[in-house]
Formats: sequence, structure tokens, C-alpha cells
Amino acid sequence: DAGVIQSPRHEVTEMGQEVTLRCKPISGHNSLFWYRQTMMRGLELLIYFNNNVPIDDSGMPEDRFSAKMPNASFSTLKIQPSEPRDSAVYFCASSSLGGGNQPQHFGDGTRLSIL
Amino acid sequence: GESVGLHLPTLSVQEGDNSIINCAYSNSASDYFIWYKQESGKGPQFIIDIRSNMDKRQGQRVTVLLNKTVKHLSLQIAATQPGDSAVYFCAEILNTDKLIFGTGTRLQVFP
Repeated sequence: DAGVIQSPRHEVTEMGQEVTLRCKPISGHNSLFWYRQTMMRGLELLIYFNNNVPIDDSGMPEDRFSAKMPNASFSTLKIQPSEPRDSAVYFCASSSLGGGNQPQHFGDGTRLSIL
Repeated sequence: GESVGLHLPTLSVQEGDNSIINCAYSNSASDYFIWYKQESGKGPQFIIDIRSNMDKRQGQRVTVLLNKTVKHLSLQIAATQPGDSAVYFCAEILNTDKLIFGTGTRLQVFP
């Protein structure tokens, strides 16, 4: 079975540019999560959706970050304008909607470098 | 569980030995716990989970122990293999869908 699919795997761009990260969750999963991982701060939850509806975006660092989930099989995380401190690995994860007692399954991430 | 920053705790074990990775979680009301394995260049991979009404759960070569009294979680890996080398994270969930990740531990397996 296909796992969580993220694209691109790597992105290098100059500061000020718009960056769009994409995620396809596991088919049948109702919850989708965006994380950021850095050496200094570890894994941080940015935002998550249940049934395509944003539930908690308290982890989104600034207004420059936005996330959408137009349908059950696709989500985007956008950074506009990007800054060097946004450089990190961004992970998407999905799970079945089970009251919290379901494991999240992660994609292999997008490594983002802002120059 | 906050990251300790640049330096991860490291556990070095010899191939064939058993490994024990420990984790202290933060909230006594957390009711679901997961261990993840993360290899270089990959996302965290689900290993095993345990609910708060259990003390122990076994999988293939792995066992998770939960001590709610001291808010401690451990992952035991039997007959550790080179392919087990990775960073291991524990995570807790409290009532919602939000995972709270603990500090990772790097497991190094040497021949």
C-alpha cells in the first residue's frame, strides 16, 4: 500500500520566494498533520486537519505560513515570503480519525533550504 | 518533551545484544503512547503503540513498557541488528489527536 507521499523531496530557493509543499495522505485516513523538524527544536506540530477542516493551527509560526486541504487526498503547506530561518525538514502525516488513539504515519518529508 | 537541541542522547550496543531506550513523558493524563524510529533522510516510522490501560505490549523483537506511576516509557529491542540503528522517539497523546514528541535517542549498533 502507498504511504504518505510528499513532494518535492528537496527544495532550495532564495529568500522572499513563495514555497509550496504538497502532501497526499494514506487513502481512507481522515486526519492530516504538518510537522517541522529542526536540529534545535526537534519535531513540531504546525497544523492538523480532521475531515479536511483545520482543527488546530496554533503551531503555525507566523502569518507567512498557511495550509489548505481542499479534499481528502491532498494538502498544501505554503510559505510566503520565505526566510532563511524556515529552513527545515517538513513532514506530513496522516491517521484514521479515532479519537486520538490511532498512530500517525509519516511521509519522508521535504527538505527545505532557504538561501 | 522538548528537544535538547543539537546533541541527542546516544545508546551504543553490540549487535546481538538487547537494547533498552527510555523516555519520560510529560502529562500524567496522557492515554496513548507511540514509539517511532527515524532513519536518516526518512520520516518517523511507527514501531509500536500502547494504551494507558496496559503496562506492557509486545511486537516482533520489540516490547514497550509503560509505568504510569513515574510517567516512564521504555522500548526494548531484542537481538539488536545493524538495521536498528536510527533515532527513536516516544510520543504521547492527550485526549486529542496531537502527538507530543519526546527527546529522541540515537541508537548505534556496532559489530
